[in-house]
Amino acid sequence: DIVMTQSPLSLPVSPGESASISCKSSQSLLHRIGYTYLDWYLQKPGQSPQLLIYLVSNRASGVPDRFSGSGSGTDFTLNISRVEAEDVGVYYCMQSLQTPWTFGQGTKVEIK
Amino acid sequence: EAQLVESGGGLVQPGGSLRLTCVGSGLSFRNVWMHWVRQGPGKGLMWVSRINSDGGDTTYADSVKGRFTISRDNVKNSVYLQMDSLRADDTAVYYCATFSLDSAHWGQGTPVLVSS
Repeated sequence: DIVMTQSPLSLPVSPGESASISCKSSQSLLHRIGYTYLDWYLQKPGQSPQLLIYLVSNRASGVPDRFSGSGSGTDFTLNISRVEAEDVGVYYCMQSLQTPWTFGQGTKVEIK
Repeated sequence: EAQLVESGGGLVQPGGSLRLTCVGSGLSFRNVWMHWVRQGPGKGLMWVSRINSDGGDTTYADSVKGRFTISRDNVKNSVYLQMDSLRADDTAVYYCATFSLDSAHWGQGTPVLVSS
């Protein structure tokens, strides 16, 4: 199985500041057809996960441009610029290159 | 707007069975692969199983293989998860979901508690 490792696991942030979450996979997520199957999700308190970023760096529909993703191979980063109160929750990276699909442990973002 | 609604969760004793149902609307159900993902209390997300669009191809996480069975009825726009030989560590909220390259739709989840 592909192991996904996130850091940090907890991230207190002041409003307006930027935040960065790292996600590392135990093997490359690059498919032979050229796609890298790494997505980012946010699970707000009491809600189901919602897609933020797909294929490493593409914002899902309706996602503010404060969110950006980058990386390649096995190392990926989610950046949030100008954090807002509505951004609190747990952020997960997920690989869908091969089954079983696997998630990172989650990073809890809270407002200071 | 796509919507997925799960049902069938509840309290079951260890060794017991439960059947979860997920009904989809607002999407071309018969053309999408469907998944189950679970989240234990206070824990992260764990992918459980998936089924292809016509139901002929299924895949499971090792921890549920041989105990859980995923199936679907495209006439009823429904996907099912039959859970047998349930254990305490199967306690979780179970979500059905569908994924494409640029989107994902999740249900609200149905809770399953395995306890005596």
